[in-house]
Amino acid sequence: GAVVSQHPSWVICKSGTSVKIECRSLDFQATTMFWYRQFPKQSLMLMATSNEGSKATYEQGVEKDKFLINHASLTLSTLTVTSAHPEDSSFYICSAREMGQQETQYFGPGTRLLVL
Amino acid sequence: QQPVQSPQAVILREGEDAVINCSSSKALYSVHWYRQKHGEAPVFLMILLKGGEQKGHDKISASFNEKKQQSSLYLTASQLSYSGTYFCGTVKAAGNKLTFGGGTRVLVKP
Repeated sequence: GAVVSQHPSWVICKSGTSVKIECRSLDFQATTMFWYRQFPKQSLMLMATSNEGSKATYEQGVEKDKFLINHASLTLSTLTVTSAHPEDSSFYICSAREMGQQETQYFGPGTRLLVL
Repeated sequence: QQPVQSPQAVILREGEDAVINCSSSKALYSVHWYRQKHGEAPVFLMILLKGGEQKGHDKISASFNEKKQQSSLYLTASQLSYSGTYFCGTVKAAGNKLTFGGGTRVLVKP
């Protein structure tokens, strides 16, 4: 149980375009989902916390207009990187916290974004 | 604030033991341990919620010293599959966000 999927797993796009990444909890309902960013050989940095039906909470330094997060249902959250630039290239990982299970987070397989 | 992990890297021979430490400057509610293999997402190993708690996952176990605000992960009789980067994540209060340490890279050689 506790499987989280992400789509796409890889994406290459041109500078200036927007990219949408989906995060789904496959076998449980997730009231809260999290979006992380990871650079090579570095730790996971939390970008934002997404709660179903409400606005996302962004970490300091993360532009909410650039990284749009929508948590439309208890099993789906999306991250849209708008007007992507080469410096947005990174490994984006989502995680989900099961409803009623206060603490454990399960991670998706990640999405590798390359902006040319 | 990010918890501090030590060591940053460790190389083991198959069958050897290792300890990874995770320390926080603030009081903790819980500590989470994950292992990440290259190019993959982190895999949940275990969560420790109470001071003094110890847990095990195969031959990997962990302890949580609430007073010292630290946790240790024990790799016993290491296997080749234990190679990867281990991250601790700390939570200050129930329902709060998870803050990850810098990671400890583990390489188990035959």
